[in-house]
Amino acid sequence: GENVEQHPSTLSVQEGDSAVIKCTYSDSASNYFPWYKQELGKRPQLIIDIRSNVGEKKDQRIAVTLNKTAKHFSLHITETQPEDSAVYFCAARSGTYKYIFGTGTRLKVLA
Amino acid sequence: EPEVTQTPSHQVTQMGQEVILRCVPISNHLYFYWYRQILGQKVEFLVSFYNNEISEKSEIFDDQFSVERPDGSNFTLKIRSTKLEDSAMYFCASLYGPERQFFGPGTRLTVL
Repeated sequence: GENVEQHPSTLSVQEGDSAVIKCTYSDSASNYFPWYKQELGKRPQLIIDIRSNVGEKKDQRIAVTLNKTAKHFSLHITETQPEDSAVYFCAARSGTYKYIFGTGTRLKVLA
Repeated sequence: EPEVTQTPSHQVTQMGQEVILRCVPISNHLYFYWYRQILGQKVEFLVSFYNNEISEKSEIFDDQFSVERPDGSNFTLKIRSTKLEDSAMYFCASLYGPERQFFGPGTRLTVL
């Protein structure tokens, strides 16, 4: 079945450093890739997304890159701040109506 | 800004009992979803719903589960006979087009 792998499972960075989270998807027909931030006990919040016809997208300190050939996509957070600490999930849309989530990355930004 | 809402925020039930989790999607949204998140684990797709019928469902969504849109605003998830392993956070999500999902705050289901 469809699968999304996500690495690393935990990531600690110093405040001001960059953080990179990587995902790999299995369904070559996937064409939309959102990233969510989830704080403890809260709902997932969409932070950035990318469609398969785009290789890179940036929104202030957050960027996402997509390599369709390799079926990889990555989240890049620059100039990390303590409030970036959360669990981050990647996801891939499989078919029209189904979203498969990665296993999550717990990011800790050390002040 | 409109939000997806869910009730109750926490539901405690005995094993074998039926539960209904309720969601009010954003009013002009057309696609509705239920997800499950066991504590500390990933978000798992359960079912998608469009045009008053199930569009897709996962292997988790077996005969014990059902969804309904009983009126123009509510979207419900029913679990007929709860098991201990159904204990999880259940999130509803909605979207207008088939992309940007907005999640509700979740219902924490505890099965004793």
